[in-house]
Amino acid sequence: EPEVTQTPSHQVTQMGQEVILRCVPISNHLYFYWYRQILGQKVEFLVSFYNNEISEKSEIFDDQFSVERPDGSNFTLKIRSTKLEDSAMYFCASSESSGRVFGSGTRLTVV
Amino acid sequence: GENVEQHPSTLSVQEGDSAVIKCTYSDSASNYFPWYKQELGKRPQLIIDIRSNVGEKKDQRIAVTLNKTAKHFSLHITETQPEDSAVYFCAASQNDYKLSFGAGTTVTVRA
Repeated sequence: EPEVTQTPSHQVTQMGQEVILRCVPISNHLYFYWYRQILGQKVEFLVSFYNNEISEKSEIFDDQFSVERPDGSNFTLKIRSTKLEDSAMYFCASSESSGRVFGSGTRLTVV
Repeated sequence: GENVEQHPSTLSVQEGDSAVIKCTYSDSASNYFPWYKQELGKRPQLIIDIRSNVGEKKDQRIAVTLNKTAKHFSLHITETQPEDSAVYFCAASQNDYKLSFGAGTTVTVRA
């Protein structure tokens, strides 16, 4: 069964540093997403991406965040200057239409 | 924006009994309602979804009902088994880009 893969599985970074989270969506999917989940809380939408541009973003996705599809397979989330409150599990997802397939997540710890 | 409320936050059932989780949504334009199961430390996985042109959908022991007038939808799990223990999230979306999740229900099935 096709999977969404994410790397790294765990990232520890110092406050103020930039991090890039990487995702390889399912190859025939057209829609890509990033979500985050703070420990013990609900999944929160960050951004959706379609046709090489952001289709929608939440209020969480401020100027510190950016997404990119640098080639035909990768989809990245960049956080420019990490804050302690950015510590969370970040899930990438992709879909053909509505049903999203989630990756296994990157646990980001900002210290 | 869309606001999804989910109840209860925790649910403990005896193996073999039924479990019901209820969600309400605020945006009458929402037309897609998926349910995700998340086991501890793992990714959310889609278990069933329903669109607003359907009132009920069933897949083996899992069923979802939708009341558009009341802006209410529910997940029903019958003949619960220990492997049904997980956190269940409802979600709602109007445009297939942005999914708004409920806060989650931790289901524990007692053997």
